[in-house]
Parts: sequence; C-alpha cells; structure tokens
Amino acid sequence: DSGVTQTPKHLITATGQRVTLRCSPRSGDLSVYWYQQSLDQGLQFLIQYYNGEERAKGNILERFSAQQFPDLHSELNLSSLELGDSALYFCASSLRIGSGNTGELFFGEGSRLTVL
Amino acid sequence: QKEVEQDPGPLSVPEGAIVSLNCTYSNSAFQYFMWYRQYSRKGPELLMYTYSSGNKEDGRFTAQVDKSSKYISLFIRDSQPSDSATYLCAMSPGGGADGLTFGKGTHLIIQP
Repeated sequence: DSGVTQTPKHLITATGQRVTLRCSPRSGDLSVYWYQQSLDQGLQFLIQYYNGEERAKGNILERFSAQQFPDLHSELNLSSLELGDSALYFCASSLRIGSGNTGELFFGEGSRLTVL
Repeated sequence: QKEVEQDPGPLSVPEGAIVSLNCTYSNSAFQYFMWYRQYSRKGPELLMYTYSSGNKEDGRFTAQVDKSSKYISLFIRDSQPSDSATYLCAMSPGGGADGLTFGKGTHLIIQP
C-alpha cells in the first residue's frame, strides 16, 4: 500500500460530460502529480502541485484542470469528455515534510475512466 | 523521435532465467535514472534509482546506465513468476521527482 488514495476506482461516462477524480496523498507529502496512462501513449505527466500551488504542467489539455486544497488533497477535473480521454489516471505524491526529495513517486492505484 | 524508447514486449521467459530490460533516450540532460515496476491493476512502484553512469545492485536486480550510449538496462537474476509485471524506465535531469519522463513500459511474463 503506497498510502496514496484515489477515488473513484472506475468511472464510466458519456462524451461531453464532466468528471472529477480525487486524490489523497501520503500523509505529509507536499507534492501531488497527475499522470494519464494509455496503451499507445504510456504514462504521460499532466500536472504537478506543491503545497497548494501549481508547480509544473505537462501534456494537460485545456479541457482538464486540477487543484490542490489546503489539506493537500487534489482533484483533477476533466470536462467535455471525448472517447480518446478513456485511460487510467494516476495520482502520485512525493516530498514528505522533513525529508529530502529522493525522487521517488508514490502512486495510487488509479482511476479507470471509460468514455462511451 | 520520443525522448525515451522502450520495447513494450511482451517478453516471456522461463522461471530462473536472467532477464534484460532496456531503454534508450535522446535527452542528454537526463542524469537520474529509475526503474518502476507496475503489477496489473496497480500503480507503479519504484524498484531502482541510479545517478549518472555505472551499475547499482539490489538483491536480484541490477541497474546499469551508459550515458555515452544513452542506454539503460535492468537485469533480473533468477527470475520468479512474481516478477511478472510491466517495467517502466524513468529519467529526469534533476534528482527529485519533478520532470520525470517515463518509457511506455515492457510487459514481462515469467513462466513457471
């Protein structure tokens, strides 16, 4: 168990809809990362938050947005969904308070999104 | 050309065999190299972490980096069925978790 919790585990929705994926990082971790994993693209970095502030952006579409709340949990919002958005969405956390950054990412078990 | 290339497999070997998994990369700024293991229906977990060129051994696992060739390898000795998983290489310019670029992963199957 990595200590990172993601909900929901599975989500089926229709094109054009909007969904919210939720992530609770490991206790004490300040950074939250969102990744998208698909068979053809592999694991793609979407966005990173550090202690509530956006820190880095990757290949995140404009239809997607995220935020990190004061209690450090994070949400990824996906809107105007398209068939191609079907994928596994992972949240990962790192950088525990009081420890150095070892470079290790702790991943949740993912949220599998199916867009029909 | 993608920044990190990794053969997706599947790679199927008998139990006890030595497994070699590889990645090539194009960005010479990468200094830190990692291998993550991902079991089915789970998130990736860090297996090995190395800096710059050279070898690092941890039990049955050895990570090798050749920066001159932009080539990294993971060797698994005495492979076990429990090693069956997808192995993703990852690399970054800095030492932290920021800026990680992942390979697509190699699906490994160890036949009992």
